[in-house]
Amino acid sequence: SQQGEEDPQALSIQEGENATMNCSYKTSINNLQWYRQNSGRGLVHLILIRSNEREKHSGRLRVTLDTSKKSSSLLITASRAADTASYFCATRSGGGFGNEKLTFGTGTRLTIIP
Amino acid sequence: DTAVSQTPKYLVTQMGNDKSIKCEQNLGHDTMYWYKQDSKKFLKIMFSYNNKELIINETVPNRFSPKSPDKAHLNLHINSLELGDSAVYFCASSRVPGQPATNEKLFFGSGTQLSVL
Repeated sequence: SQQGEEDPQALSIQEGENATMNCSYKTSINNLQWYRQNSGRGLVHLILIRSNEREKHSGRLRVTLDTSKKSSSLLITASRAADTASYFCATRSGGGFGNEKLTFGTGTRLTIIP
Repeated sequence: DTAVSQTPKYLVTQMGNDKSIKCEQNLGHDTMYWYKQDSKKFLKIMFSYNNKELIINETVPNRFSPKSPDKAHLNLHINSLELGDSAVYFCASSRVPGQPATNEKLFFGSGTQLSVL
Protein backbone atom coordinates (compact mmCIF):
# COMPACT_ATOMS: atom_id res chain seq x y z
CA SER A 1 0.00 0.00 0.00
CA GLN A 2 1.04 3.57 -0.50
CA GLN A 3 3.36 4.81 2.21
CA GLY A 4 3.61 8.54 1.80
CA GLU A 5 1.09 11.16 0.95
CA GLU A 6 2.04 14.69 0.07
CA ASP A 7 0.03 17.74 0.84
CA PRO A 8 -0.96 19.83 -1.00
CA GLN A 9 -1.40 17.97 -4.26
CA ALA A 10 -0.72 21.19 -6.16
CA LEU A 11 0.80 24.51 -5.15
CA SER A 12 1.23 27.74 -7.14
CA ILE A 13 3.25 30.62 -5.77
CA GLN A 14 4.98 33.76 -7.02
CA GLU A 15 8.66 33.66 -7.77
CA GLY A 16 10.65 34.65 -4.73
CA GLU A 17 8.13 33.29 -2.23
CA ASN A 18 8.75 30.23 -0.08
CA ALA A 19 7.10 26.90 -0.87
CA THR A 20 6.24 24.34 1.77
CA MET A 21 5.19 20.79 1.07
CA ASN A 22 4.23 18.17 3.60
CA CYS A 23 4.50 14.42 3.62
CA SER A 24 2.85 11.91 5.93
CA TYR A 25 3.70 8.24 6.15
CA LYS A 26 2.35 5.22 7.95
CA THR A 27 5.07 2.87 9.18
CA SER A 28 8.49 3.10 10.81
CA ILE A 29 11.25 4.31 8.56
CA ASN A 30 15.03 4.30 8.36
CA ASN A 31 15.14 7.54 6.45
CA LEU A 32 12.99 9.83 4.39
CA GLN A 33 14.06 11.33 1.08
CA TRP A 34 12.75 14.03 -1.17
CA TYR A 35 12.95 13.86 -4.94
CA ARG A 36 12.11 16.29 -7.73
CA GLN A 37 10.65 15.32 -11.08
CA ASN A 38 10.63 17.76 -13.95
CA SER A 39 8.01 17.18 -16.62
CA GLY A 40 8.89 14.22 -18.82
CA ARG A 41 12.02 13.39 -16.83
CA GLY A 42 13.16 10.97 -14.19
CA LEU A 43 13.31 11.70 -10.48
CA VAL A 44 16.30 13.48 -9.02
CA HIS A 45 17.34 13.06 -5.41
CA LEU A 46 17.27 16.29 -3.38
CA ILE A 47 17.88 15.51 0.26
CA LEU A 48 17.83 12.66 2.77
CA ILE A 49 16.98 12.88 6.46
CA ARG A 50 17.53 9.99 8.82
CA SER A 51 15.03 8.85 11.41
CA ASN A 52 17.19 10.21 14.24
CA GLU A 53 17.45 13.66 12.67
CA ARG A 54 14.92 16.45 13.05
CA GLU A 55 16.06 19.00 10.51
CA LYS A 56 18.40 19.20 7.58
CA HIS A 57 19.45 21.93 5.18
CA SER A 58 20.83 21.88 1.67
CA GLY A 59 21.13 25.20 -0.12
CA ARG A 60 17.61 26.65 -0.39
CA LEU A 61 16.07 23.43 0.88
CA ARG A 62 15.08 22.75 4.46
CA VAL A 63 13.62 19.43 5.52
CA THR A 64 12.09 18.59 8.87
CA LEU A 65 11.09 15.21 10.21
CA ASP A 66 8.73 14.45 13.07
CA THR A 67 8.75 10.70 13.64
CA SER A 68 6.16 10.96 16.42
CA LYS A 69 3.70 12.41 13.92
CA LYS A 70 5.10 10.40 11.01
CA SER A 71 5.43 13.53 8.95
CA SER A 72 8.01 15.56 7.09
CA SER A 73 8.06 18.93 5.40
CA LEU A 74 10.12 20.35 2.57
CA LEU A 75 10.66 24.09 2.45
CA ILE A 76 12.06 25.74 -0.64
CA THR A 77 13.07 29.30 0.06
CA ALA A 78 13.27 32.15 -2.46
CA SER A 79 11.62 30.09 -5.17
CA ARG A 80 12.68 30.34 -8.80
CA ALA A 81 10.92 29.48 -12.03
CA ALA A 82 13.28 26.52 -12.39
CA ASP A 83 11.82 25.03 -9.20
CA THR A 84 8.61 24.25 -11.10
CA ALA A 85 8.33 20.47 -10.87
CA SER A 86 6.67 17.66 -8.95
CA TYR A 87 8.14 16.85 -5.55
CA PHE A 88 7.94 13.41 -3.98
CA CYS A 89 8.78 12.16 -0.56
CA ALA A 90 10.01 8.59 -0.27
CA THR A 91 10.50 6.43 2.77
CA ARG A 92 13.12 3.75 3.03
CA SER A 93 12.31 0.35 4.43
CA GLY A 94 14.02 -3.00 4.41
CA GLY A 95 17.25 -3.64 6.23
CA GLY A 96 18.72 -6.56 4.43
CA PHE A 97 21.61 -6.32 2.03
CA GLY A 98 20.25 -5.14 -1.26
CA ASN A 99 16.75 -5.26 0.12
CA GLU A 100 16.31 -1.55 0.41
CA LYS A 101 13.30 -0.15 -1.30
CA LEU A 102 11.91 3.32 -1.47
CA THR A 103 8.19 3.80 -1.26
CA PHE A 104 7.05 7.02 -2.85
CA GLY A 105 4.23 9.35 -1.99
CA THR A 106 1.71 10.86 -4.33
CA GLY A 107 3.68 14.02 -5.07
CA THR A 108 3.09 17.77 -4.94
CA ARG A 109 2.97 19.66 -8.21
CA LEU A 110 4.72 23.00 -7.62
CA THR A 111 4.31 25.84 -10.08
CA ILE A 112 6.37 29.00 -9.70
CA ILE A 113 4.78 32.00 -11.38
CA PRO A 114 7.38 34.42 -12.78
CA ASP B 1 27.63 10.46 -19.93
CA THR B 2 24.06 9.57 -18.88
CA ALA B 3 24.29 7.67 -15.59
CA VAL B 4 21.12 5.59 -15.97
CA SER B 5 19.87 5.24 -19.51
CA GLN B 6 16.82 3.40 -20.68
CA THR B 7 15.47 2.73 -24.15
CA PRO B 8 13.20 3.34 -25.81
CA LYS B 9 11.89 6.64 -24.48
CA TYR B 10 8.50 6.10 -26.11
CA LEU B 11 6.83 2.81 -26.92
CA VAL B 12 3.45 2.60 -28.65
CA THR B 13 2.08 -0.86 -29.29
CA GLN B 14 -1.06 -2.90 -29.73
CA MET B 15 -2.72 -4.97 -27.06
CA GLY B 16 -1.41 -8.52 -26.96
CA ASN B 17 2.07 -7.69 -28.21
CA ASP B 18 5.32 -8.47 -26.39
CA LYS B 19 7.81 -5.68 -25.79
CA SER B 20 11.07 -5.04 -23.94
CA ILE B 21 12.58 -2.02 -22.24
CA LYS B 22 16.31 -1.88 -21.68
CA CYS B 23 18.22 -0.18 -18.88
CA GLU B 24 21.91 0.36 -18.32
CA GLN B 25 23.81 2.20 -15.60
CA ASN B 26 27.45 3.27 -15.63
CA LEU B 27 27.66 4.26 -11.97
CA GLY B 28 29.14 1.01 -10.69
CA HIS B 29 25.99 0.36 -8.67
CA ASP B 30 25.05 -3.18 -7.84
CA THR B 31 21.34 -2.68 -7.21
CA MET B 32 18.84 -1.83 -9.92
CA TYR B 33 15.10 -1.27 -9.87
CA TRP B 34 12.03 -0.98 -12.04
CA TYR B 35 9.32 1.44 -10.99
CA LYS B 36 5.97 2.08 -12.65
CA GLN B 37 4.42 5.56 -12.63
CA ASP B 38 0.73 5.71 -13.46
CA SER B 39 -1.30 8.55 -14.94
CA LYS B 40 -1.79 10.05 -11.47
CA LYS B 41 2.00 10.19 -11.01
CA PHE B 42 1.93 7.49 -8.36
CA LEU B 43 5.27 5.67 -8.41
CA LYS B 44 5.34 2.03 -7.37
CA ILE B 45 8.26 -0.36 -7.18
CA MET B 46 8.02 -3.47 -9.32
CA PHE B 47 11.36 -5.26 -8.99
CA SER B 48 14.83 -4.85 -7.60
CA TYR B 49 17.97 -6.78 -8.41
CA ASN B 50 21.20 -6.87 -6.45
CA ASN B 51 24.21 -8.07 -8.40
CA LYS B 52 22.01 -9.92 -10.90
CA GLU B 53 19.91 -11.57 -8.17
CA LEU B 54 16.20 -10.82 -7.81
CA ILE B 55 15.62 -9.27 -4.39
CA ILE B 56 12.25 -7.54 -4.51
CA ASN B 57 9.32 -8.77 -6.55
CA GLU B 58 6.22 -6.83 -5.72
CA THR B 59 2.79 -8.03 -6.74
CA VAL B 60 3.34 -7.79 -10.44
CA PRO B 61 1.64 -9.99 -13.07
CA ASN B 62 3.95 -12.70 -14.31
CA ARG B 63 3.60 -11.21 -17.78
CA PHE B 64 6.37 -8.92 -16.55
CA SER B 65 9.75 -10.61 -16.50
CA PRO B 66 12.91 -8.73 -15.54
CA LYS B 67 16.27 -9.96 -16.70
CA SER B 68 19.68 -8.88 -15.45
CA PRO B 69 22.50 -10.19 -17.65
CA ASP B 70 25.04 -8.34 -15.49
CA LYS B 71 24.89 -5.86 -12.65
CA ALA B 72 24.99 -2.89 -15.03
CA HIS B 73 21.91 -3.96 -16.97
CA LEU B 74 18.33 -4.66 -16.02
CA ASN B 75 15.82 -5.22 -18.79
CA LEU B 76 12.07 -5.57 -18.53
CA HIS B 77 10.13 -7.83 -20.86
CA ILE B 78 6.36 -7.61 -20.96
CA ASN B 79 4.24 -10.31 -22.59
CA SER B 80 0.68 -10.00 -23.83
CA LEU B 81 0.43 -6.28 -23.21
CA GLU B 82 -2.84 -4.97 -21.79
CA LEU B 83 -4.39 -1.50 -21.80
CA GLY B 84 -3.70 -1.18 -18.08
CA ASP B 85 0.02 -1.55 -18.68
CA SER B 86 0.09 1.94 -20.16
CA ALA B 87 2.31 3.99 -17.86
CA VAL B 88 5.79 5.42 -17.56
CA TYR B 89 8.37 2.86 -16.51
CA PHE B 90 11.47 4.04 -14.69
CA CYS B 91 14.70 2.22 -14.16
CA ALA B 92 16.82 3.24 -11.19
CA SER B 93 20.02 2.16 -9.48
CA SER B 94 21.74 2.55 -6.14
CA ARG B 95 24.46 1.16 -3.89
CA VAL B 96 28.12 1.36 -4.66
CA PRO B 97 29.68 -1.65 -2.94
CA GLY B 98 31.85 -0.64 -0.02
CA GLN B 99 30.53 2.92 0.13
CA PRO B 100 27.53 2.87 2.46
CA ALA B 101 27.13 6.63 2.54
CA THR B 102 26.11 6.66 -1.09
CA ASN B 103 23.87 3.65 -0.98
CA GLU B 104 20.65 5.16 0.05
CA LYS B 105 19.58 7.39 -2.77
CA LEU B 106 18.32 6.27 -6.12
CA PHE B 107 19.45 7.47 -9.50
CA PHE B 108 16.68 7.35 -12.07
CA GLY B 109 16.60 7.01 -15.81
CA SER B 110 14.46 9.38 -17.82
CA GLY B 111 11.63 6.90 -18.22
CA THR B 112 9.91 4.92 -20.95
CA GLN B 113 6.39 6.02 -21.77
CA LEU B 114 4.46 2.92 -22.78
CA SER B 115 1.14 3.35 -24.56
CA VAL B 116 -0.92 0.25 -25.25
CA LEU B 117 -3.65 0.76 -27.84
